[in-house]
Amino acid sequence: LAKTTQPISMDSYEGQEVNITCSHNNIATNDYITWYQQFPSQGPRFIIQGYKTKVTNEVASLFIPADRKSSTLSLPRVSLSDTAVYYCLVGREYTGRRALTFGSGTRLQVQP
Amino acid sequence: ETGVTQTPRHLVMGMTNKKSLKCEQHLGHNAMYWYKQSAKKPLELMFVYNFKEQTENNSVPSRFSPECPNSSHLFLHLHTLQPEDSALYLCASSHWVGQDPPNYGYTFGSGTRLTVV
Repeated sequence: LAKTTQPISMDSYEGQEVNITCSHNNIATNDYITWYQQFPSQGPRFIIQGYKTKVTNEVASLFIPADRKSSTLSLPRVSLSDTAVYYCLVGREYTGRRALTFGSGTRLQVQP
Repeated sequence: ETGVTQTPRHLVMGMTNKKSLKCEQHLGHNAMYWYKQSAKKPLELMFVYNFKEQTENNSVPSRFSPECPNSSHLFLHLHTLQPEDSALYLCASSHWVGQDPPNYGYTFGSGTRLTVV
């Protein structure tokens, strides 16, 4: 699985847009990019997944440039409840023998 | 509820005890996983089961013993644990190979908070 690098922590205020960027320079042709959210003492929760360009759902947007060596998770108008750890994962985890491998994630703190 | 249920939610056990963690899913998934999350550490993959067959053991000590009797149930049997084994143990499920395009990721349970005293 491709290695990912993301900021350790970020701070924001309620109502702001938050963008978390993840670097994955050695992403493979068949790899997808997936983001998870984890609250304290809970399991991670799937947010969004994409392959290229832009993906949007009711929770977030995912921007992937043409070279796919990075991706940006965008959370519009965050609230206090968005305070969590966000993980970026890259890989075609649905084939092959390796399961999802999580990095350290980005700890987002939203303040009033 | 996520569709993956873990019991118990909290467990305190002595180092000489034997206990089991249970995970159950009725999402139609055919792969199940155990992850360990220690304080301020990334999630560590422990075991992978695909169609009830263990396909990965990520160098986990033998005091942790998984069991997958069917594709809906997964157990983690614990014996003679150490205090450093205290952690949040998470179960997850997903579809296995052959999904193209991929489905929407793993579904995790809420975990069992284990404290070894």
